[in-house]
Amino acid sequence: GESVGLHLPTLSVQEGDNSIINCAYSNSASDYFIWYKQESGKGPQFIIDIRSNMDKRQGQRVTVLLNKTVKHLSLQIAATQPGDSAVYFCAENPGGSNYKLTFGKGTLLTVNP
Amino acid sequence: DVKVTQSSRYLVKRTGEKVFLECVQDMDHENMFWYRQDPGLGLRLIYFSYDVKMKEKGDIPEGYSVSREKKERFSLILESASTNQTSMYLCASKAPGKGTEAFFGQGTRLTVV
Repeated sequence: GESVGLHLPTLSVQEGDNSIINCAYSNSASDYFIWYKQESGKGPQFIIDIRSNMDKRQGQRVTVLLNKTVKHLSLQIAATQPGDSAVYFCAENPGGSNYKLTFGKGTLLTVNP
Repeated sequence: DVKVTQSSRYLVKRTGEKVFLECVQDMDHENMFWYRQDPGLGLRLIYFSYDVKMKEKGDIPEGYSVSREKKERFSLILESASTNQTSMYLCASKAPGKGTEAFFGQGTRLTVV
């Protein structure tokens, strides 16, 4: 079946460096993508989203890039801070559905001081 | 401050017991969801409700049922708990339509012994 997956299950960076978390998706009908952050002991929190008619979207210290040609999504975090340590999930919303989200398996980001 | 509240953070139940997981949201959202989260598998959708008394099966509904008698409350029921239902359960709610943010509860870690 269709799935969303992550290239790297863990990522360790130094404080102040930029982080890049990658995600591959296989459902070409997906037209909406979201990144979530889950800190230890908490539920996932929305970070940023992007629609399939866009290639790039920027938020505060975060940027999401979408490459539909190779079905690849990435989350870039600028000047990574210890508070960014968490598990990051990408999720896709298939076209034709207003509610269904398929989540990736998650990447654990560890920020070293 | 928007809130999705799950009634228990931790539960321990015996095999064969009927288990109720409760979720309440204060945002007047039509859509509510139950996911389970397992290491290496990400979040998987169990059931979804788009209105009071309305429900749809997600990707892994077997062994579960749900109840939505009031708009703000969505209950997940394990009819006869089994050890393979030991997991983290996450409730979420969102407004209708594509592109609206899903808000998650803090999760209930259920252990079935």
